[in-house]
Amino acid sequence: KNEVEQSPQNLTAQEGEFITINCSYSVGISALHWLQQHPGGGIVSLFMLSSGKKKHGRLIATINIQEKHSSLHITASHPRDSAVYICAVNTGNQFYFGTGTSLTVIP
Amino acid sequence: GAGVSQSPSNKVTEKGKDVELRCDPISGHTALYWYRQSLGQGLEFLIYFQGNSAPDKSGLPSDRFSAERTGGSVSTLTIQRTQQEDSAVYLCASSPSRAIGQFFGPGTRLTVL
Repeated sequence: KNEVEQSPQNLTAQEGEFITINCSYSVGISALHWLQQHPGGGIVSLFMLSSGKKKHGRLIATINIQEKHSSLHITASHPRDSAVYICAVNTGNQFYFGTGTSLTVIP
Repeated sequence: GAGVSQSPSNKVTEKGKDVELRCDPISGHTALYWYRQSLGQGLEFLIYFQGNSAPDKSGLPSDRFSAERTGGSVSTLTIQRTQQEDSAVYLCASSPSRAIGQFFGPGTRLTVL
């Protein structure tokens, strides 16, 4: 069993749609990260959460510690949002990663 | 430089050879992380440094892997007696502290023939 599960694995959306990517985890964590990996391979850290909600531009990340669940939302999606979104959890001295959600936003 | 840099960007080696991968974190970042991503696979955590010390080395895949960090700055990941399954992109990231998100380097693509 994976410590981190993401859904969906693949997602295709029309430009402008509201997108939600989900992440569930089974271990105790000190923080949860959302990462974005572009087709060229570069990785950008979007959010680091330990509780509540964070917003940056059109991106919103939430976490429910009791339910061990986090969501990443993208409002007014755009083709440049097309990337793989990865959920990762930090258990202290270890990190566990989800397998990623491949998002394609069609113009 | 402004970001995390890694060298070499690409490395092709023969099975059984040793390789050394280098990471230059952002100046002043005390936390440094090594990950790898095998072709078509997800990210895998290898090791984390706070300053020069690594509190937990259990993420390293085998005893052929070692990492060190000197002067709280540059880190090297060494793979001895490389095997074909070591082929992957090795990523380094740094952050000012563990409470802040990480900045990723471009990675080193290692191919073991």
